[in-house]
Amino acid sequence: EPEVTQTPSHQVTQMGQEVILRCVPISNHLYFYWYRQILGQKVEFLVSFYNNEISEKSEIFDDQFSVERPDGSNFTLKIRSTKLEDSAMYFCASSVGDRYNEQFFGPGTRLTVL
Amino acid sequence: QKEVEQDPGPLSVPEGAIVSLNCTYSNSAFQYFMWYRQYSRKGPELLMYTYSSGNKEDGRFTAQVDKSSKYISLFIRDSQPSDSATYLCAMKDSWGKLQFGAGTQVVVTP
Repeated sequence: EPEVTQTPSHQVTQMGQEVILRCVPISNHLYFYWYRQILGQKVEFLVSFYNNEISEKSEIFDDQFSVERPDGSNFTLKIRSTKLEDSAMYFCASSVGDRYNEQFFGPGTRLTVL
Repeated sequence: QKEVEQDPGPLSVPEGAIVSLNCTYSNSAFQYFMWYRQYSRKGPELLMYTYSSGNKEDGRFTAQVDKSSKYISLFIRDSQPSDSATYLCAMKDSWGKLQFGAGTQVVVTP
């Protein structure tokens, strides 16, 4: 069964460093999303992406964040200068369509900022 | 008022019992409703997806939506220890952004 994959599973970085989290969505999906979950808190939407453009972003997704689909398979989230409060699980999700279709989540990348 | 309210639990039930979970919401624009299961430090796994009021059944799982009361439920029949997880309700309006509840931790004891 096709699934969303994410690498790395765990990333440890120093405050102020740049990190890139990688995702490979399900191959026929067209809509891509990033969510995050701070430990003990709910899953929060960060950004949605379609046709090589951001379609929606939350107030969390500030100028420190960017997303890219550098090739036909990968979807990346970059955090330019990490802060302690960026420590969280980051989940990538994808769906065939937008309004009517289920989103399937990857296993997540645990980001620890020291 | 939070857009999606969900009791965090924990909810402890004996094996074989029915697990009953629910969420309330305030945004009447929500049209699509989902239940996800999340094991510790793993990604959410989609269990049920509905978009109309009424019941939807899939094996031991039944999802119920009452749009007039802004209330959704998930029932798990014949619960097993492997059902022990956190159950997240999620919903969206006509666009893709999902709004999640806080998640209810369920513990099924043998």
